[in-house]
Amino acid sequence: SQKIEQNSEALNIQEGKTATLTCNYTNYSPAYLQWYRQDPGRGPVFLLLIRENEKEKRKERLKVTFDTTLKQSLFHITASQPADSATYLCALEPTGGGNKLTFGTGTQLKVEL
Amino acid sequence: NAGVMQNPRHLVRRRGQEARLRCSPMKGHSHVYWYRQLPEEGLKFMVYLQKENIIDESGMPKERFSAEFPKEGPSILRIQQVVRGDSAAYFCASSPAAGSDNSPLHFGNGTRLTVT
Repeated sequence: SQKIEQNSEALNIQEGKTATLTCNYTNYSPAYLQWYRQDPGRGPVFLLLIRENEKEKRKERLKVTFDTTLKQSLFHITASQPADSATYLCALEPTGGGNKLTFGTGTQLKVEL
Repeated sequence: NAGVMQNPRHLVRRRGQEARLRCSPMKGHSHVYWYRQLPEEGLKFMVYLQKENIIDESGMPKERFSAEFPKEGPSILRIQQVVRGDSAAYFCASSPAAGSDNSPLHFGNGTRLTVT
């Protein structure tokens, strides 16, 4: 069955460092991979989308890589700030999936002063 | 420019009652999706609707659950005869077109349903 794995342990890092979050998947061939941010009591907020034929994508302090051979995506936040503290969700969409996304359980990031 | 509006934010129902969850998509969005988030689990797709049509309900339980998106008014997710296992956060999302390539999802802040 399809499976998406994100590190369930919280990631604590110091302000100014780069945070790296991992998303691994099995039994899936996604056309798109997306990253969302979710704060407590709020809905997910879209951050970045990367296509299956793209290796890397950047947006301001965010960078996403996508390795379809390893079936893995890495999500980086450079120069992290306490305001980046949240849960980050990875989501996959198959070809023609029409926003029918499969989400991981998320990794909680805490950026400390 | 209001985002996706969901109400109520919190809903408490006793076992056997009905729950009705409402979602108004972003202005200009005609595609609505419902997802459910159980404690310690990821968001799970339930149903995808366009105005007056259910496009994909493959994630919705066959019994007790229904969804609609009428020509006028919000989308409604209806759960009849609720059970404790229905307790979860229900999120609505909208997009201006199908497919996330050019129109990723905009989520509301959810309705937290508690069944006592």
